[in-house]
Amino acid sequence: SFELTQPPSVSVSPGQTASILCSGDKLGNKYVSWYQQKPGQSPVLVIYQDSQRPSGIPERFSGSNSGDTATLSISRTQAMDEGDYYCQAWNTTTATVVFGGGTKLTVL
Amino acid sequence: QVQLVESGGGLVKPGGSLRLSCAASGFTLSGYYMTWIRQAPGKGLEWVSYIGNSGTTIYYADSVRGRFTISRDNAKNSLHLQMSSLGADDTAVYYCARAIEARNYFYMDVWGKGTTVTVS
Repeated sequence: SFELTQPPSVSVSPGQTASILCSGDKLGNKYVSWYQQKPGQSPVLVIYQDSQRPSGIPERFSGSNSGDTATLSISRTQAMDEGDYYCQAWNTTTATVVFGGGTKLTVL
Repeated sequence: QVQLVESGGGLVKPGGSLRLSCAASGFTLSGYYMTWIRQAPGKGLEWVSYIGNSGTTIYYADSVRGRFTISRDNAKNSLHLQMSSLGADDTAVYYCARAIEARNYFYMDVWGKGTTVTVS
């Protein structure tokens, strides 16, 4: 079955760029979305179709996807960016939705 | 504004049933696929089910197939999830989410605040 793998945690210093990886077999052939979830809140879509930002999402958030790895990058990271980030893809073979296990971003 | 509000969660005994509902406002429900996604305490997101615009396209995760039934009432702008044979592994916050779909992509652009289901 198709699976997405994320590192459990990523740490970054304020003002630096955070990179959160998501890996899956031939993931570059699929579109990836990313969601941010802060404690006690619902997930929020921050990137769709690999690199598109919904309205209201800061330009600091960007995404890319190639080969077996998709990357969510957060530039000029701020304390407010702390939270859990989930990648998600669409398994066209089984017509099912797949989430990565999530990455906890800590801004030290 | 676009909003999704879930209801129907609660405490249920193992083997019991529960029906969740999701009320949509600020958009025309019939124009969108809709999904249910759950999150067990301290765990990640798990897709549960989705239903197409007219209700004829329906898919379930393996973990709930045969026990859960998704449905929608476009006239009442509502989505439902009938859950039966519930077990401890079904304990989670259940989110209703609007989906944007095409042949090559599927993602959730609007999420509700969730409703909590506890099986104990």
